[in-house]
Amino acid sequence: ELKVEQNPLFLSMQEGKNYTIYCNYSTTSDRLYWYRQDPGKSLESLFVLLSNGAVKQEGRLMASLDTKARLSTLHITAAVHDLSATYFCAVLNFGNEKLTFGTGTRLTIIP
Amino acid sequence: KAGVTQTPRYLIKTRGQQVTLSCSPISGHRSVSWYQQTPGQGLQFLFEYFSETQRNKGNFPGRFSGRQFSNSRSEMNVSTLELGDSALYLCASSSDLGTIYEQYFGPGTRLTVT
Repeated sequence: ELKVEQNPLFLSMQEGKNYTIYCNYSTTSDRLYWYRQDPGKSLESLFVLLSNGAVKQEGRLMASLDTKARLSTLHITAAVHDLSATYFCAVLNFGNEKLTFGTGTRLTIIP
Repeated sequence: KAGVTQTPRYLIKTRGQQVTLSCSPISGHRSVSWYQQTPGQGLQFLFEYFSETQRNKGNFPGRFSGRQFSNSRSEMNVSTLELGDSALYLCASSSDLGTIYEQYFGPGTRLTVT
């Protein structure tokens, strides 16, 4: 059974600092997704990573995928308050097209 | 293009009752997936429908069921509600074309069981 682990679970960081969220998964897949969720809201798609070595950037967020290490990272550069949210990674199970989500990382940016 | 819509947005039910939630996917999308989100268990996959057929199922009891109509709209039903069914239920649609398989999520239905 596919397992997806994220760390850290909680992250409190100061504005202007850099940090990385890690997403490890247990079985082979080359479809990895990052979502953002604001409190009480639904999931907003951030990145879709489709192959080994894929890197995508949007504003202060950059995501990468290493399928050999079964690891994806979400890097935050020069954090701003608007980035406060919970971030989820999700991995696609081939064969049943089921998304398995990580536990989420609750990010709080402190002024 | 309109996004995924879910109705109702909020619902309060009593233990033992049943509930039906509705999801309308993005126009042209034929795949609809349902997820349950709780603080304790996180986001868990319930089931997926494609062209009116259940294609995949998660590890939930038979009290949870669903269906999909010919216009791709989907409903989810929970019978004999338990307190633990209180959750945010999210529906996601996908075009199922190509290889990206990106899922777009609706706003969710927040179900409270008392």
